[in-house]
Amino acid sequence: AQSVSQHNHHVILSEAASLELGCNYSYGGTVNLFWYVQYPGQHLQLLLKYFSGDPLVKGIKGFEAEFIKSKFSFNLRKPSVQWSDTAEYFCAVKGNFNKFYFGSGTKLNVKP
Amino acid sequence: EAGVTQFPSHSVIEKGQTVTLRCDPISGHDNLYWYRRVMGKEIKFLLHFVKESKQDESGMPNNRFLAERTGGTYSTLKVQPAELEDSGVYFCASSSRTRPSGYNEQFFGPGTRLTVL
Repeated sequence: AQSVSQHNHHVILSEAASLELGCNYSYGGTVNLFWYVQYPGQHLQLLLKYFSGDPLVKGIKGFEAEFIKSKFSFNLRKPSVQWSDTAEYFCAVKGNFNKFYFGSGTKLNVKP
Repeated sequence: EAGVTQFPSHSVIEKGQTVTLRCDPISGHDNLYWYRRVMGKEIKFLLHFVKESKQDESGMPNNRFLAERTGGTYSTLKVQPAELEDSGVYFCASSSRTRPSGYNEQFFGPGTRLTVL
């Protein structure tokens, strides 16, 4: 069965610290992976996506993620976080008919 | 371009009552999805419309939930009668016609927070 697991439920960092959020997936088909972000009071927005090719994917706002097939992982990274990165982050895998399977989310709190 | 909108933003009802949530997708988007997030858990797929037809309703929890998309534009999700476990945030998303690659970005609405007391 398809599933996504996010191990960190709540992360607290100081500004300029580096960020890595874990995501592991289980899916038997062709893997398409996503990270979405929900800033306080806003919609879910797409941060980045992986379909094929270079396993290191760059997204908006300085985020990147690396697809490691052997580990079934798609971890999100940012070298230096800012207070404005405070948000909830969701990893997702695309299933049949464009249906998404999401993880439980990671709340990131960046202290100024 | 207007994004996906949902109404209401919050709803508080008592157990046994009926609630109807509405989603207006981006104009011209054939695909409309409903998802739900129960507090602290993952966002779960409920169902998928292609125009006015239900493509996949495998995620609907039970027959107390009824989704419609008359005319292939906006969609409603009715919960009748509501139970305590129905509380959560209901998200709607839309995407344009599926390309041969099989992927079109889903654009999400702000969600409706439903509280059943």
